[in-house]
Amino acid sequence: GQQVMQIPQYQHVQEGEDFTTYCNSSTTLSNIQWYKQRPGGHPVFLIQLVKSGEVKKQKRLTFQFGEAKKNSSLHITATQTTDVGTYFCAQRDYGQNFVFGPGTRLSVLP
Amino acid sequence: DAEITQSPRHKITETGRQVTLACHQTWNHNNMFWYRQDLGHGLRLIHYSYGVQDTNKGEVSDGYSVSRSNTEDLPLTLESAASSQTSVYFCASSEVSGGASTDTQYFGPGTRLTVL
Repeated sequence: GQQVMQIPQYQHVQEGEDFTTYCNSSTTLSNIQWYKQRPGGHPVFLIQLVKSGEVKKQKRLTFQFGEAKKNSSLHITATQTTDVGTYFCAQRDYGQNFVFGPGTRLSVLP
Repeated sequence: DAEITQSPRHKITETGRQVTLACHQTWNHNNMFWYRQDLGHGLRLIHYSYGVQDTNKGEVSDGYSVSRSNTEDLPLTLESAASSQTSVYFCASSEVSGGASTDTQYFGPGTRLTVL
């Protein structure tokens, strides 16, 4: 089946530092989604990328879809304590379902 | 406001017992999903449904069943609970509209299940 890889598994940063997580697939993706899960919470949809090379921004968050549509990244500029949580990418399988990556857990030290 | 709820939020049960976790959404979404979340595994799909009377097995369906008698509900049943089924369970729903999938999944708050 399809597998989604995410790196790093954990990331500890000082508040104000930047953070990037990467999502990689062995197959070409039709689209990719990103979700955030706060500690003790549930995943919340952040964004969906569809086009090759697409870049989308949400305030301090920048999402990018690779030119070959096999990878994606999420970059947070100047992290804040509110950014703490686990970030998941999800790629679509052959139906209407998404396969989730294992996630990157972000800790932000004040 | 539309929402998706799960009950119970916490459940402790014994090995071998049958357990049913409820999921109810008021989004009127056709698609509903059950996931389990374990450390190091992310979210793994258990079962899913694309509409009333439709159910399908996901990646980790063994020991679980679902039924879809209406649009709003997709209960998840553990036929004979096992310690390996101790996990956090999330229900989600999504809608596919027209020719362009919106795809966004809305997750419930989760049920933490412990099987002793």
